[in-house]
Amino acid sequence: NAGVTQTPKFQVLKTGQSMTLQCAQDMNHNSMYWYRQDPGMGLRLIYYSASEGTTDKGEVPNGYNVSRLNKREFSLRLESAAPSQTSVYFCASSVVGQGYGYTFGSGTRLTVV
Amino acid sequence: RKEVEQDPGPFNVPEGATVAFNCTYSNSASQSFFWYRQDCRKEPKLLMSVYSSGNEDGRFTAQLNRASQYISLLIRDSKLSDSATYLCVVNKGNAGNMLTFGGGTRLMVKP
Repeated sequence: NAGVTQTPKFQVLKTGQSMTLQCAQDMNHNSMYWYRQDPGMGLRLIYYSASEGTTDKGEVPNGYNVSRLNKREFSLRLESAAPSQTSVYFCASSVVGQGYGYTFGSGTRLTVV
Repeated sequence: RKEVEQDPGPFNVPEGATVAFNCTYSNSASQSFFWYRQDCRKEPKLLMSVYSSGNEDGRFTAQLNRASQYISLLIRDSKLSDSATYLCVVNKGNAGNMLTFGGGTRLMVKP
């Protein structure tokens, strides 16, 4: 049981390049989330998908787009990377309803130069 | 005011010590509470849920005070392996399962 799998683990981009971060979960969870974590800033929600077919903006959505491809997969796209997007990106998933925590993937370390 | 506030630390304690972390939250409608552990350069992992009656898991005890909107985590007999950042997590009290993460408290256990 892999849980939440993120790819790639590391990536270096040049300013203006685009890329897609992939996330897949095998726990049959309905909800999925993308966070970024920067030193001193904690975890900040970028986008989330409460269920298959829906996506919503979180706290810091600018510069990002998402796709909930199916129940298992939720991708995050940077269309034109900027140095301010240098961060560690975590995908997470959960069941619907209160009382449940999130399960996180191992993260993607992204550097934009 | 932040939705979830924690002392960032670091808390430097010797092995075997008892250490307590506190957390306050601002949303009185919150219904679910958790402590997560995050090791350096790793993902956050669920340590324990926090129930109104308080709960214990081995050396770890979590308490919730709804009236004061305050959550605590007590670690007894600290081990070197307890060194990590501890995140206080609170749900937003809406119908879904949106969680708010505190900034974390860093614990360093020394030999």
